[in-house]
Amino acid sequence: GAVVSQHPSWVICKSGTSVKIECRSLDFQATTMFWYRQFPKQSLMLMATSNEGSKATYEQGVEKDKFLINHASLTLSTLTVTSAHPEDSSFYICSAISGREYEQFFGPGTRLTVL
Amino acid sequence: GQNIDQPTEMTATEGAIVQINCTYQTSGFNGLFWYQQHAGEAPTFLSYNVLDGLEEKGRFSSFLSRSKGYSYLLLKELQMKDSASYLCAVSVGGGADGLTFGKGTHLIIQP
Repeated sequence: GAVVSQHPSWVICKSGTSVKIECRSLDFQATTMFWYRQFPKQSLMLMATSNEGSKATYEQGVEKDKFLINHASLTLSTLTVTSAHPEDSSFYICSAISGREYEQFFGPGTRLTVL
Repeated sequence: GQNIDQPTEMTATEGAIVQINCTYQTSGFNGLFWYQQHAGEAPTFLSYNVLDGLEEKGRFSSFLSRSKGYSYLLLKELQMKDSASYLCAVSVGGGADGLTFGKGTHLIIQP
């Protein structure tokens, strides 16, 4: 089956620093990748849609200058949380689809804790 | 806006059957998904319905009624490992769009 990996699986950082999270499709080419955020006991909220070679599309309320997304290849998308603050602490999950397939394959998630 | 409702928590007994309901009101509809999520882990795909009716896959079945904006996930022969959150999600815009998730139903299985 299709496998999506994320790195790191968890990260703790100081307030004001930047953190980069990688999302990779290991055995397929992902035309589109998605970034979600999940706060404790809440549902997944879509942050942005990332297409290879083009700018990401951000959902309303998500600051594009704070959450930088790069989708440089068909197997890699990165999310950089710039100048992270404690309120950015959350579970960040990426997913990927291939071509016209409807199923999204989720990565294992990255737990970010900002002190 | 988009609205997806499902019960917050349900409790069931090992070996029994449980039905988790989901109602949705969205600006578009290109299919409904059910995912299972254990605490601290990413969601895993359970089912996808785009046409009305019942889809069966082993111990799990999912039903969709588009006219009623309603779906349910049916779990049979419950096992302790089925204790998890079950997320109902709608594809509003189509295959290349992100999913809109409900808040999830936390299912507790008791011996």
